[in-house]
This record gives sequence, structure tokens and C-alpha cells, in this order.
Amino acid sequence: ILNVEQSPQSLHVQEGDSTNFTCSFPSSNFYALHWYRWETAKSPEALFVMTLNGDEKKKGRISATLNTKEGYSYLYIKGSQPEDSATYLCASINAGNNRKLIWGLGTSLAVNP
Amino acid sequence: NAGVTQTPKFRILKIGQSMTLQCTQDMNHNYMYWYRQDPGMGLKLIYYSVGAGITDKGEVPNGYNVSRSTTEDFPLRLELAAPSQTSVYFCASSSNEQFFGPGTRLTVL
Repeated sequence: ILNVEQSPQSLHVQEGDSTNFTCSFPSSNFYALHWYRWETAKSPEALFVMTLNGDEKKKGRISATLNTKEGYSYLYIKGSQPEDSATYLCASINAGNNRKLIWGLGTSLAVNP
Repeated sequence: NAGVTQTPKFRILKIGQSMTLQCTQDMNHNYMYWYRQDPGMGLKLIYYSVGAGITDKGEVPNGYNVSRSTTEDFPLRLELAAPSQTSVYFCASSSNEQFFGPGTRLTVL
């Protein structure tokens, strides 16, 4: 994998459902994996920065895991709420790349009340 | 802390005009970035800087120039505006995660 790929492209869930998204990234020369939340008409905001294989991070109902050997990360949202509606972006950084992020196109989540 | 600030928020330019998008951060971050975001295309890196006096091209640098004379400021210059530069522009700074400014919506007619 040369680019960062996210799936699904979009997702519609009902309030209270739990959901997850996938981010695939180049595993060679891996340095870090970032997750961002981007609400409509706002700017992206960082959720997690992950660097270690097997790392798990949690912020409220949102958590993420990282597998650097196979080049994927999962983002989980437990008990989705309408305010979780946003685009979730992941981005990877390769070692020696001056911290330039390689961005995925995002997963657009809509949570219906 | 104000974080990352950008001005202007909106601007309409005529083809061939020039303008500077301002970006300032008060977090003493060394790394700063300029992105453009087009519908369905994600964030594209225009230019970035690893510290004062140092800048480098990103994925889509053509038609733009930057300077980094101080740690705080990273202005983006459009010399001869073209319709293809109609976009939303985001400035960001980082020490680890990236902090984004509110964006500048630019239309070139």
C-alpha cells in the first residue's frame, strides 16, 4: 500500500449503534498514525496520535487500535450519538519524512436520532 | 492561547490578481503546513515548514509561494490567481498532532 485508504467511504447509523472504520496505511518506514474528527464547516481536530504496534487509545466513547506490521488501524465509536456525525480522517507519517502526513479521504459518519 | 489563526475567512479574487493568506500560531510550534481542500479530494499539502527560515514543497505547490521569517507566521502567497485555485485553504501547526486554523474560503472568478 502506497497511500492511506479508509473504508467505508460513508456510513449511516442509528443513535445508540456502535460502529467502526478502517484505515490502511503503508507499513514500511512507519512513524505515526493520526486520527482526526472533522465536523462540517469546522476545522479538523486531532483525536489520537499512535506510534506503537498494538497501541490502543480511548477518548470517551471513541477508541482506536493500531497494527503497524500489517498497516491498519481501527476507530471504534460505542453508542453513537448525533453529535458524532462528522468525517473521520486518518493520516500516516513515514520515518524521515519531515512529519508530512499522508491523508486518507475520510469516512463520513451520519448518526440518525 | 489563540491557537492557529487565519485571515481572511473569505475572499473573492479576479483572475490574475494576487493575494496573501495569513497564518499565525502562538504555540511555538516548529512545523507548519498549508493545505487546500477540494470536494471529494481530501487534504492536499501545498507547502510546509520545519522551522523559521526553512520551507519546502508539498504535493501541489504550483501557483503558490510561502515564507517563514518567524516561528509564528507562515503566509501563503498567490501571485496570479486562477480559477483552479478556488478552494478552502487550511493552515496547521504541530509539535505532535496537527492544530488547524479555521480556514480561508477563496473563490477566483
